[in-house]
Amino acid sequence: EPEVTQTPSHQVTQMGQEVILRCVPISNHLYFYWYRQILGQKVEFLVSFYNNEISEKSEIFDDQFSVERPDGSNFTLKIRSTKLEDSAMYFCASSPNLGLAGEQFFGPGTRLTVL
Amino acid sequence: SQELEQSPQSLIVQEGKNLTINCTSSKTLYGLYWYKQKYGEGLIFLMMLQKGGEEKSHEKITAKLDEKKQQSSLHITASQPSHAGIYLCGAVQGAQKLVFGQGTRLTINP
Repeated sequence: EPEVTQTPSHQVTQMGQEVILRCVPISNHLYFYWYRQILGQKVEFLVSFYNNEISEKSEIFDDQFSVERPDGSNFTLKIRSTKLEDSAMYFCASSPNLGLAGEQFFGPGTRLTVL
Repeated sequence: SQELEQSPQSLIVQEGKNLTINCTSSKTLYGLYWYKQKYGEGLIFLMMLQKGGEEKSHEKITAKLDEKKQQSSLHITASQPSHAGIYLCGAVQGAQKLVFGQGTRLTINP
């Protein structure tokens, strides 16, 4: 069964460093998402991406964040200068369609620890 | 913005017992997803409900959306250790994103 994969599973970085989180969505899906979950808190939407551009982003997704689909398979989230409060589990998701027509399939997550 | 409130926040049941988890929305639900999350892992899709009064089942798990489309329940019959985890309800907001409840942590005691 096709699945969303994410690498690395755990990333430890120093405050101020740049990190890139990688995702391989399901191959025939068209819509891609990043969510995050700070320990003990709700899963929060960060950004959605379609047709090589951001289609929606939350207030969390500020100038420190960027997303890219550098080739036909990978979808990346970059945090330019990490802060302590960026420590969280980051989930990538993909769906074949928008909204109610498309179930979002989630990856296993990358746990980011900022020291 | 839409808020989802789940109850209870945690639940401990004896193996074999039935249980129900509720998800209440501050606004009308136009699509309600149930996911299961094992601690520290990804979200596994369980079911999606769209119509008022709709009910879906998968194995021993049944989810319902009330007629007014503001509340959903997830019912597990004859619980098993494999049902343990965190159950999340998520609502479609606009066309792009899901907003989630805080989750219900389910523990099954043998």
